[in-house]
Amino acid sequence: DGGITQSPKYLFRKEGQNVTLSCEQNLNHDAMYWYRQDPGQGLRLIYYSQIVNDFQKGDIAEGYSVSREKKESFPLTVTSAQKNPTAFYLCASSMEADTQYFGPGTRLTVL
Amino acid sequence: AQTVTQSQPEMSVQEAETVTLSCTYDTSESDYYLFWYKQPPSRQMILVIRQEAYKQQNATENRFSVNFQKAAKSFSLKISDSQLGDAAMYFCAYRISQGGSEKLVFGKGTKLTVNP
Repeated sequence: DGGITQSPKYLFRKEGQNVTLSCEQNLNHDAMYWYRQDPGQGLRLIYYSQIVNDFQKGDIAEGYSVSREKKESFPLTVTSAQKNPTAFYLCASSMEADTQYFGPGTRLTVL
Repeated sequence: AQTVTQSQPEMSVQEAETVTLSCTYDTSESDYYLFWYKQPPSRQMILVIRQEAYKQQNATENRFSVNFQKAAKSFSLKISDSQLGDAAMYFCAYRISQGGSEKLVFGKGTKLTVNP
């Protein structure tokens, strides 16, 4: 089946710890995106990548890092510099300039 | 600034009735795309419908249709024959081009409750 997978579904982080969220797609999409969703808010863009080995900051990139070594994969690392990381994280992908499709999300909680 | 406004934080509808969710947006571009996404309790974002700004005809997908008023920058979603499975958060989004890439700007959402 074609689609976007995210893992893990739930993730817990201790203070000062870096954690990595996985996003994989087998849709052959060029572009991939990471969004953050907080209660009562819409989605806000963290990072996006249009092609392999290239990515750009979104609106709230501070405290996050990404890599795009393969077309299918776009992992997001939440670093200890992110002071309020508890949120729901959604990954999306699209063909160039087309509709974005979303994965099932990862819920990150800071202990 | 590019913004999307959903003025109804919550709406409710009786099963089999019709409901309309409002969305307005702010843009200086002439060519763009608008979307409605549904987020059920599972929290996965699901595309409901999309509208190209250059098309005057309103988009329709089965029981879902939009009323696109370009001059007024309005993009409302009509759900006909509402079903219990339609209960979800609905997000309006507008796609902009920035730095050679495409990004979505989302409203804060409308929570739709469907009463049996």
